[in-house]
Amino acid sequence: DAKTTQPTSMDCAEGRAANLPCNHSTISGNEYVYWYRQIHSQGPQYIIHGLKNNETNEMASLIITEDRKSSTLILPHATLRDTAVYYCIVSALNNAGNMLTFGGGTRLMVKP
Amino acid sequence: NAGVMQNPRHLVRRRGQEARLRCSPMKGHSHVYWYRQLPEEGLKFMVYLQKENIIDESGMPKERFSAEFPKEGPSILRIQQVVRGDSAAYFCASSPRSGGAHEQYFGPGTRLTVT
Repeated sequence: DAKTTQPTSMDCAEGRAANLPCNHSTISGNEYVYWYRQIHSQGPQYIIHGLKNNETNEMASLIITEDRKSSTLILPHATLRDTAVYYCIVSALNNAGNMLTFGGGTRLMVKP
Repeated sequence: NAGVMQNPRHLVRRRGQEARLRCSPMKGHSHVYWYRQLPEEGLKFMVYLQKENIIDESGMPKERFSAEFPKEGPSILRIQQVVRGDSAAYFCASSPRSGGAHEQYFGPGTRLTVT
């Protein structure tokens, strides 16, 4: 799986949009971009994923650049409960299962 | 629909003892993954199992660690003769099918402390 690079930490004011970047310059054509988060040492929680088109769900939006070498996770109106470590993961679908490779992630602190 | 269950949530073992960690997948899920998280680090894949089969154990340490997912009952991660370096949070995830990382649902984890 391709390697990802994320900032170690970020701050965001409550109610503002949180934009979390991720670089994945070695991504292959069949690899998806996944985002998970881990709140205070709980089990990771799936947020969103995409291949090349921008995606949106009830939790977040995912913007993938046209060359697919980077992406941004957007939490449109961050709340205190969004304080967590956010992991950007690149992985291909395959028939042998799809174990996730977690890097260091970005520690997002949402402040009042 | 209950989520992924793990027990115990906290486990304390002395060096040399055995640790058994249990994971009950979500209803209808036949695929289980185990991950380990050392303090201040990201999760590392350990093993992927389907019912009665180990599919990928490339992340498992070669000695002292084993995993099973029997036809009936929970998946078990077993650590023999624990050492201090085994202290970590162990998470399992389940999914209904192979492929599709977005379909992995994680449990709350078991925090193992070796004294």
